[in-house]
This record gives sequence, C-alpha cells and structure tokens, in this order.
Amino acid sequence: GQNIDQPTEMTATEGAIVQINCTYQTSGFNGLFWYQQHAGEAPTFLSYNVLDGLEEKGRFSSFLSRSKGYSYLLLKELQMKDSASYLCAVCDTGFQKLVFGTGTRLLVSP
Amino acid sequence: DAGVTQSPTHLIKTRGQQVTLRCSPKSGHDTVSWYQQALGQGPQFIFQYYEEEERQRGNFPDRFSGHQFPNYSSELNVNALLLGDSALYLCASSLAAGGRRWNNEQFFGPGTRLTVL
Repeated sequence: GQNIDQPTEMTATEGAIVQINCTYQTSGFNGLFWYQQHAGEAPTFLSYNVLDGLEEKGRFSSFLSRSKGYSYLLLKELQMKDSASYLCAVCDTGFQKLVFGTGTRLLVSP
Repeated sequence: DAGVTQSPTHLIKTRGQQVTLRCSPKSGHDTVSWYQQALGQGPQFIFQYYEEEERQRGNFPDRFSGHQFPNYSSELNVNALLLGDSALYLCASSLAAGGRRWNNEQFFGPGTRLTVL
C-alpha cells in the first residue's frame, strides 16, 4: 500500500523555527516533494529531495532519509505569511505520479 | 512565461450532469497530470497524459476521462456527477521523465472549484 503521514496541525510564533515531519511507505520512490498551499489556492513548489541529506533554500530546508522513509521541512524566521498548509508528496514511479499526504496546517501567530 | 492555466475557475453542476475542465501546461512542458483535492485533504492523482495518451491512472472510476491535444493542453471530463465529486481539480504540468531538461518538478495550476448540488 501507499501511506504518507504528517501531523494535521501545528502552531508557532513569528520569528521562530518549525519542523514539519513526514513519514512514507510507497511501492516505489522517485523523490519527495514539499509544497505550500494557501487556502483556496494551488500548491506551490518548495523543495525536492531524491538523495539522502539536507537541501537548503533560503528560509526553507528539507531533509530526506530514504532508509527510514522520513523527511522533514524546516522553516526558519517564521513570518505571518507562512501560515498555510504544507503538503508532503512522494513520486512513486518514473512517470511522476505524486502521492500526497493530507497536509499539515501551520498557523503562525504574532 | 505563462504558467499553468485552468478554466473555468468555478463551476456549479447538479447530480447526473457532465462537466469538462480545461488545462494549458506551462510553456515548454509536455506532460499533464490531473488531481482531485477534497476539502481538508491532500490532492489525489486521477491520471496523467503524455503524447496525447493516458500514461498512468489513479484509483478513479471510468466516469473520469481525459484527453490531451497536440499543443499539450488537456481536458478532464466527468460524467454522471455525484455529490462526492465536489472538489478542487488541479492540473499539474511537467516535462516527461528522462529528457535532457527533465528535473522532476511539477507546476500546479490555480485549479477549478467544482460544486455538485
């Protein structure tokens, strides 16, 4: 089967750091994506990991451990505009089919 | 450089009707995937089109069908609409895997919000 698990909701304060975890079990693995989605809008690409390790991109970093079926998204220096849902998605085949988790709703408070 | 576009933005239908949603991929992309996102859920893969053929399909009934045109744009058709078909329908475009410019990145359009009454 295919299963992507991530927390339903997280809260944090402006300026803080938050880590959103994702564990996965899929029939295949061709990379893991993180997307940000504001309410009523389309998902926007944040990061892509296919090899183990940390990928850093400005205030956002993403980590992957393929042996553990685990990834996290790290958001630093949180801003109010970071309040959104964060979707973890695994590409399970060479044909780019994405399997999504239910998303983590992050609320950033002042 | 135009991104992924979808039409219409919103649509209201009644049970039993048929609907067609449209998607134009990002310039330079040749592959289109369709996803259904129910409220509070992550997107669910419906199918993917490449070279005008359905290349892969998710766990959706035959009421869901699609088409890709020579200019790479795509349509999603849903027949015999059910209340449970109410969702945000997302189109994602990408380059076919294995090409010289391939980077596995998928870009999503703004979506079509379908409400079935």
